[in-house]
Amino acid sequence: NAGVTQTPKFQVLKTGQSMTLQCAQDMNHNSMYWYRQDPGMGLRLIYYSASEGTTDKGEVPNGYNVSRLNKREFSLRLESAAPSQTSVYFCASSATGQNTIYFGEGSWLTVV
Amino acid sequence: GIQVEQSPPDLILQEGANSTLRCNFSDSVNNLQWFHQNPWGQLINLFYIPSGTKQNGRLSATTVATERYSLLYISSSQTTDSGVYFCAWGFSGNTPLVFGKGTRLSVIA
Repeated sequence: NAGVTQTPKFQVLKTGQSMTLQCAQDMNHNSMYWYRQDPGMGLRLIYYSASEGTTDKGEVPNGYNVSRLNKREFSLRLESAAPSQTSVYFCASSATGQNTIYFGEGSWLTVV
Repeated sequence: GIQVEQSPPDLILQEGANSTLRCNFSDSVNNLQWFHQNPWGQLINLFYIPSGTKQNGRLSATTVATERYSLLYISSSQTTDSGVYFCAWGFSGNTPLVFGKGTRLSVIA
């Protein structure tokens, strides 16, 4: 049982480059999330999707776009990467109305 | 917006010692969870505890919703308990969690 799978695990980008972080879950969950983690800041919500076909902004959405491709997949795109987007990105999922949230292993992104 | 504050920010313990981590939140809660992030970055859900007390082995948690705080107790700490402990608040089971900044725990042998 894979749970929540994120790719890539590590990535170095140059300022201005674009990239997409991929996330897939195999638990048939309706809700999916993207968080970023910076030193001393905890996890901050970037975007979430309560169900297939819907997405909503979180606390720090600027510079990002998301796509809920289907029930399993929720991708995060950086259109023009900036050094301030250097962070660890976590994808997560949960079942609607249930309280256990499952996290992927994280994606370490460095923008130089 | 909602404020989730954790204390202490850092904690160093000798193996075998006990500790209490605190989480204060600024609004009423229907979804309060504790997580452990191990040194490799993996996030593990420890407790779902919007009110009351739960225990799981050497760990236990208590939430006093009326006073807007939660406590995580670690007894007889082990080096494998090291990492960062996060509490997270949610208005309901259908809304995203808001995380505190975490307590970094180091248990030394």
